[in-house]
Amino acid sequence: SQQGEEDPQALSIQEGENATMNCSYKTSINNLQWYRQNSGRGLVHLILIRSNEREKHSGRLRVTLDTSKKSSSLLITASRAADTASYFCASGARSARQLTFGSGTQLTVLP
Amino acid sequence: EAQVTQNPRYLITVTGKKLTVTCSQNMNHEYMSWYRQDPGLGLRQIYYSMNVEVTDKGDVPEGYKVSRKEKRNFPLILESPSPNQTSLYFCASSHTQNTEAFFGQGTRLTVV
Repeated sequence: SQQGEEDPQALSIQEGENATMNCSYKTSINNLQWYRQNSGRGLVHLILIRSNEREKHSGRLRVTLDTSKKSSSLLITASRAADTASYFCASGARSARQLTFGSGTQLTVLP
Repeated sequence: EAQVTQNPRYLITVTGKKLTVTCSQNMNHEYMSWYRQDPGLGLRQIYYSMNVEVTDKGDVPEGYKVSRKEKRNFPLILESPSPNQTSLYFCASSHTQNTEAFFGQGTRLTVV
């Protein structure tokens, strides 16, 4: 079920700028994941942050998690045209039967 | 290479003609699922399987069937496709329902 919401729905930036996407979820979670989808292709896992973590880094990606606000953000630093894609958050809970995906943010990085 | 393989990638069919979309994973994952993705509706889960011979309905199961006879395979069956099943379909696998999911490349289905 679509319980997550992401904002903005669409984001357009210049190459070299940072991109920040936000995600909110509704239930208690064990982890929060971010995925990337190139147009018409399968989703690719980017990073997972556990509920007891507040921040995680992977290359140019920085993810934060605030369980008190039930929100997460994904920061892509020094963006490149190749970062153009849709980005989805997904919340994972042991009690749930599936990952709950957000509605996605369409990021366009202009060269 | 760890991967989820779906076939076919593209399919155009006529209303009522039974079809099967295959999905295979090579990671020994217990959990497998099928999603459909439609503009404005995001990813919706059709069916999932916790393990061999264990399948259950997701959020939008009507008009679909699945089977899990072997751990690696999880085919999606449309017994009598209708135009409202025109969509982009994804198979995914993971160790459990809330761990990192690996997605197939997608099957774009058009039912006319």
